[in-house]
Amino acid sequence: ETGVTQSPTHLIKTRGQQVTLRCSSQSGHNTVSWYQQALGQGPQFIFQYYREEENGRGNFPPRFSGLQFPNYSSELNVNALELDDSALYLCASSTGTGGFYEQYFGPGTRLTVT
Amino acid sequence: AQSVTQPDIHITVSEGASLELRCNYSYGATPYLFWYVQSPGQGLQLLLKYFSGDTLVQGIKGFEAEFKRSQSSFNLRKPSVHWSDAAEYFCAVGLSNDYKLSFGAGTTVTVRA
Repeated sequence: ETGVTQSPTHLIKTRGQQVTLRCSSQSGHNTVSWYQQALGQGPQFIFQYYREEENGRGNFPPRFSGLQFPNYSSELNVNALELDDSALYLCASSTGTGGFYEQYFGPGTRLTVT
Repeated sequence: AQSVTQPDIHITVSEGASLELRCNYSYGATPYLFWYVQSPGQGLQLLLKYFSGDTLVQGIKGFEAEFKRSQSSFNLRKPSVHWSDAAEYFCAVGLSNDYKLSFGAGTTVTVRA
């Protein structure tokens, strides 16, 4: 059974640029959630995708957007990058959308915005 | 307001000593409770979870946690720490009618020889 994978591992971008991060969910999982973890903080929920539809969203601006594909993999897109977007971006997959469904996390993508 | 609080930012413990990490939550109903561990440069690994039933739950790597409804707490314990337990530990909560996990700010554990 393959776990959650994310790419790339590290990324350096310039302020104002756009970035796409990718996530492959664990086999059998149909739900993907994205979290932003700033240095020294706990992860903050960005949004969740269930069966290719956005299922819920945290307190992030519209320049954070996403997609989920028929194979349940997902992308996180961030436009007009700001310095504060520098963080570890974590993807988590689960078999459902409720709070009691265990979420399995990938290793994350470290984004640095200069 | 709903929140998850980990009062200890940093804990240093000697190898072989016991460890207890505190977690308090503020929610209207009893949430689903989780403890995750994050090693440097790594993602989050689930240590244990509480949904219902026995209030003392066992997890991986010798960890256990106790749910105390009266104190709105879910503290993590380990009787004897190993140097490999040095990491960041996060308490998280989920609600059945919600889709996200809400995390505390984390506790960094340093293990000294």
